[in-house]
Amino acid sequence: ETGVTQSPTHLIKTRGQQVTLRCSSQSGHNTVSWYQQALGQGPQFIFQYYREEENGRGNFPPRFSGLQFPNYSSELNVNALELDDSALYLCATIPSPHRQDGYTFGSGTRLTVV
Amino acid sequence: GIQVEQSPPDLILQEGANSTLRCNFSDSVNNLQWFHQNPWGQLINLFYIPSGTKQNGRLSATTVATERYSLLYISSSQTTDSGVYFCAVDRYSTLTFGKGTMLLVSP
Repeated sequence: ETGVTQSPTHLIKTRGQQVTLRCSSQSGHNTVSWYQQALGQGPQFIFQYYREEENGRGNFPPRFSGLQFPNYSSELNVNALELDDSALYLCATIPSPHRQDGYTFGSGTRLTVV
Repeated sequence: GIQVEQSPPDLILQEGANSTLRCNFSDSVNNLQWFHQNPWGQLINLFYIPSGTKQNGRLSATTVATERYSLLYISSSQTTDSGVYFCAVDRYSTLTFGKGTMLLVSP
């Protein structure tokens, strides 16, 4: 059973709306990363948070933003939703930014933008 | 950025068959990992293998970092092995994934 929980599991939004996705953290993992997985593609790195600060970002526009809380849980916020934002959003936690061997992924949130 | 290519893109096997999945990457990396994505979307870490060979039951993996490729071997495949297998490489503390190999094992 995964130690990372994501919510909601599915949701449908209208183009132009805003959405917040949530991710708990595996016990002892202080680093969280978010990935976007379009249908038929591999996950793409959005950003990473360590100690409540963003410490890495992929090729995504500023309307993708995030937060990490003191208990290491995290949120992904997407403003001004576009149809191409429809995807599976995966959260992953690791023990630290320097421990790339301990990834634990959640089951994801499937976002559909109509 | 770094390119990660996986082959074949799709693979259909009968239960009991063996298979080899390949991952090529375009530049030197800090590490390489293999994941299995189940039908519910969850990614399960199979191997953390920056170099050398590792085995875990019916699965084994080999990475030849100097030649920039990795292989995942599945022996005596079972229907529960079905799903998508991803290779992911790390250069700057983030993972870059390939497009995956979709494996279907039929009874």
